[in-house]
Amino acid sequence: SQQGEEDPQALSIQEGENATMNCSYKTSINNLQWYRQNSGRGLVHLILIRSNEREKHSGRLRVTLDTSKKSSSLLITASRAADTASYFCATDANTGNQFYFGTGTSLTVIP
Amino acid sequence: KAGVTQTPRYLIKTRGQQVTLSCSPISGHRSVSWYQQTPGQGLQFLFEYFSETQRNKGNFPGRFSGRQFSNSRSEMNVSTLELGDSALYLCASSLVSVDEQFFGPGTRLTVL
Repeated sequence: SQQGEEDPQALSIQEGENATMNCSYKTSINNLQWYRQNSGRGLVHLILIRSNEREKHSGRLRVTLDTSKKSSSLLITASRAADTASYFCATDANTGNQFYFGTGTSLTVIP
Repeated sequence: KAGVTQTPRYLIKTRGQQVTLSCSPISGHRSVSWYQQTPGQGLQFLFEYFSETQRNKGNFPGRFSGRQFSNSRSEMNVSTLELGDSALYLCASSLVSVDEQFFGPGTRLTVL
């Protein structure tokens, strides 16, 4: 089964609100990454957080990692309509050379 | 720097046929990974190549194969196509390890 699972599966918010999505995984990891995918296109790398880090920021993105709970969260602040996309977490399950993607959270930001 | 390119972008085949998809990584990237994306199964790892060697393989039948050339370009082949092979096939490249992968736009394969 897949290593990462996102929650919720779908999220709809108003422009300007914050969006939070969560990822849970099953085994120990070296790092966890978040990706965005627009409408069936390729994925875009958003942020990487290593297993020894607890929080990371990049622009309007904030990622947390709790290795004891095997979970991560992605917060998008002050959302925009252009943030509408599917968001995936990916974990390496200590393999280093392959990643397991979750099923994704579909985010809709209503203008 | 040019991004990851995949050809063709769309493909329609019939059951039993075979197909070859191509991926050109970002210049200088030596690792190429392939993924299959379907609505039901999500993104699933197929295999990863580095310096012409397959380093990792996902849980797919032997009908799925790949290779990497000396210029890091990669191809994947699916033989004896089945309806369930209809999917978006994504290629991703990275410098050495797969810390940060850069994805191509994908090849949409439809099997009739």
